Amino acid sequence: DTGVSQNPRHKITKRGQNVTFRCDPISEHNRLYWYRQTLGQGPEFLTYFQNEAQLEKSRLLSDRFSAERPKGSFSTLEIQRTEQGDSAMYLCASSYDEGEHYEQYFGPGTRLTVT
Amino acid sequence: AQKVTQAQTEISVVEKEDVTLDCVYETRDTTYYLFWYKQPPSGELVFLIRRNSFDEQNEISGRYSWNFQKSTSSFNFTITASQVVDSAVYFCALGDFYNQGGKLIFGQGTELSVKP
Repeated sequence: DTGVSQNPRHKITKRGQNVTFRCDPISEHNRLYWYRQTLGQGPEFLTYFQNEAQLEKSRLLSDRFSAERPKGSFSTLEIQRTEQGDSAMYLCASSYDEGEHYEQYFGPGTRLTVT
Repeated sequence: AQKVTQAQTEISVVEKEDVTLDCVYETRDTTYYLFWYKQPPSGELVFLIRRNSFDEQNEISGRYSWNFQKSTSSFNFTITASQVVDSAVYFCALGDFYNQGGKLIFGQGTELSVKP
C-alpha cells in the first residue's frame, strides 16, 4: 500500500503568481487534510474533506486559497496572487473515519518559496 | 480554546540516555484524542501513538512509553536508551473525539538531538 503522495515536492515562485499543489491520499482513506508548517512551528490546520465535501476551513485560509477534491480521491490546493508570507511547507494527510483507527498519515509535503 | 504546549524547544542527550518529552494541553472537551508524531530530518511526519482521553493506562512500545495524566492535562513521551536514529522533531497533537480525530491541534514541537 503506497502512502500519501504530494506533488511537486518543491515550488519556487515569484510574488503575485498562482500555484497549485496536488495530494494523492492513501487509496481507501475517505478523509483528506491540508496543513501548513513554517520553520520551527507545528503544522497548522487549513482545511479538510470527507469524500468530496469540504467540511471545515480554518480562518487562516484567506480568499486567495482554495482547495478541491472533485471525485473524492486526489485533492488540489491553489494559492492565488502568492505573497512572501505564503512561503511554508504544505502538508497533506489522509485518514479513514470508520473502525477504530483515525490516525492521519502525512505526505512528504510541498515546500513553497515565494521570492 | 484548544491548545497544545511543548515547553521544551530543544533537548540534547547522549546515546543510551533516557529522555522525556513533555506535552501539556488545554481543551474544554471532556473526551478527546491525543497523538504523538515524529518528524525526522527527511521531513515526513510519522504517526507514533493515539490515546483516547478515557483510557489513562500508560502504554509501552519497545523503547517508547507514554504517560497520560488527565488530572494534569499532560501526555508525556519517554524514550528509553535513546539512539542516534531517534534524532527528530517530536510533535504532540490534540484531536476531536466525536469527529474521529478531525483537525489536529499541534504543539510547537521538541527537537531531540541524540549524540553518539
